[in-house]
Amino acid sequence: GEDVEQSLFLSVREGDSSVINCTYTDSSSTYLYWYKQEPGAGLQLLTYIFSNMDMKQDQRLTVLLNKKDKHLSLRIADTQTGDSAIYFCAEVSYNQGGKLIFGQGTELSVKP
Amino acid sequence: KAGVTQTPRYLIKTRGQQVTLSCSPISGHRSVSWYQQTPGQGLQFLFEYFSETQRNKGNFPGRFSGRQFSNSRSEMNVSTLELGDSALYLCASSTALAGDYNEQFFGPGTRLTVL
Repeated sequence: GEDVEQSLFLSVREGDSSVINCTYTDSSSTYLYWYKQEPGAGLQLLTYIFSNMDMKQDQRLTVLLNKKDKHLSLRIADTQTGDSAIYFCAEVSYNQGGKLIFGQGTELSVKP
Repeated sequence: KAGVTQTPRYLIKTRGQQVTLSCSPISGHRSVSWYQQTPGQGLQFLFEYFSETQRNKGNFPGRFSGRQFSNSRSEMNVSTLELGDSALYLCASSTALAGDYNEQFFGPGTRLTVL
């Protein structure tokens, strides 16, 4: 079935760039999303990319999509301690009726 | 506009009991989805309701059920609770019709602990 995979942990220093990677399997995905979850909270949509795009930039966030390799990445420039959270990538699986399939989440730890 | 609200925020039950969780979507949103989040399994899709009909379902046993009311509010029910049902249950609402851009707005979740 459809699967989304991410590495589980990433640790960076404040001010550095963070890159969180994700691979997905459903080639029918039209939209791919990045969500952020802070401790004790629900998920917040950070950004998304449409499948006919290679890159999308939104302030400190850059999303890169390699559709051939089914690889998605989220780059956070000038990472701050407030960026510490769990980041989930997700794809819309049309093979499964349009539901969102989430990766396991990458826990980003930002050290001062 | 008020966000997605979930009640209760925390719940403690014992094995064998049943539980009902409630979700109120953002006004105007007709789609409500439920997810179970656990450290081991991550975020898993339970089901989605749209206009009072279950439109999609994940791979969970029949002990997990849900419904949606005419005002789009949704409830999920878990019967005969097991220890493994301890999780954060997240509800998300959306305006999306099937196949469209599907931005889901999440509530803060209900933390269920089964003893």
